[in-house]
Amino acid sequence: AQSVSQHNHHVILSEAASLELGCNYSYGGTVNLFWYVQYPGQHLQLLLKYFSGDPLVKGIKGFEAEFIKSKFSFNLRKPSVQWSDTAEYFCAVTKGGKLIFGQGTELSVKP
Amino acid sequence: NAGVTQTPKFQVLKTGQSMTLQCAQDMNHEYMSWYRQDPGMGLRLIHYSVGAGITDQGEVPNGYNVSRSTTEDFPLRLLSAAPSQTSVYFCASSPVRSDEQYFGPGTRLTVT
Repeated sequence: AQSVSQHNHHVILSEAASLELGCNYSYGGTVNLFWYVQYPGQHLQLLLKYFSGDPLVKGIKGFEAEFIKSKFSFNLRKPSVQWSDTAEYFCAVTKGGKLIFGQGTELSVKP
Repeated sequence: NAGVTQTPKFQVLKTGQSMTLQCAQDMNHEYMSWYRQDPGMGLRLIHYSVGAGITDQGEVPNGYNVSRSTTEDFPLRLLSAAPSQTSVYFCASSPVRSDEQYFGPGTRLTVT
């Protein structure tokens, strides 16, 4: 079945560590790609999105993601995480007008 | 702008009861959708609408009905609640189908 896969379910890092969260999708053709974040007790917010153009996308709060078409991947990165980045992160793909989410990755940052 | 609003925030139902989760947006967005969030499963699309009078099924539509009589409102109906429908429900809206979606604060539903 076509899907969006996030490889890490729970990641624990210390402050200042670098972050990379994996996301792969299995849809062919043109897709729009998103990373959303859900802070504890809050609703989802957009971190960044990719529609076309430069495959390296910069988002809010120092996050960036790289679209690699040949690998069907859209990995999220941040050079140095902070305790306030503790949240759940969702990769999502729009295909055929429907937004399909990955399973989510819970990030815990230790102070 | 209030954005996307949802009511109620919390609800407990008994098996077999019916209820409607309310969703409204004041951004004049054409596209609206409902998701359920369950641990380890991300968000799954229940139903969506591309405009007033038009709705379609998502990944997990069984047990849920929707209607879209106005651009602003997109209620989700549970006709006969089941414990499997215990979840957190999010409504979202977007100016176009493929663009960023704006999410409401969610409704936490428990069915006993």
